[in-house]
Amino acid sequence: EPEVTQTPSHQVTQMGQEVILRCVPISNHLYFYWYRQILGQKVEFLVSFYNNEISEKSEIFDDQFSVERPDGSNFTLKIRSTKLEDSAMYFCASRVDSPSPLHFGNGTRLTVT
Amino acid sequence: SQQGEEDPQALSIQEGENATMNCSYKTSINNLQWYRQNSGRGLVHLILIRSNEREKHSGRLRVTLDTSKKSSSLLITASRAADTASYFCATDEAGANSKLTFGKGITLSVRP
Repeated sequence: EPEVTQTPSHQVTQMGQEVILRCVPISNHLYFYWYRQILGQKVEFLVSFYNNEISEKSEIFDDQFSVERPDGSNFTLKIRSTKLEDSAMYFCASRVDSPSPLHFGNGTRLTVT
Repeated sequence: SQQGEEDPQALSIQEGENATMNCSYKTSINNLQWYRQNSGRGLVHLILIRSNEREKHSGRLRVTLDTSKKSSSLLITASRAADTASYFCATDEAGANSKLTFGKGITLSVRP
């Protein structure tokens, strides 16, 4: 069964550094998402992406965050200057259309020191 | 309070018992979905119920939806130790631009 893949599984970075989290959504899916989860708590929406543009973003998704779909397969989340409070699990998800179930990757654990 | 609040926050039951988890939400929805998360893993979709449906079954799962009360319940019958996980409800809001909003989740422990 097709799945969403995320790399790396764990990223450690120093405060102020830029990080890029990578995702390969399921190939025929049209809607792409980033969510984050701090220490097994609530799953928080960051951004949704459709038709090569952001369709919605949350208050968390400030100017330090950006997303890109540079080719037909990858979907990336960039954090320009990481803060300690950005430490979390970041999940990529996709779905074939809206509304339908989301398919999640296994996440990237980001640790900012 | 927030869209998609589950209760209880934690539930511990014996294998073979039924587990009932509840979710309340605030806005109009297109559908409500339940997801499961094993520790350190991504969320896995379990079941989707549309706003015009009242009940849905899938294997040992039964979901109900009461749009007048803005609430849903997930029942897992004949629980197994392997059902131990966190369970989240998520709402697909009417008029929202395609995002799902998740609750805080319920931690279910099934004792063998």
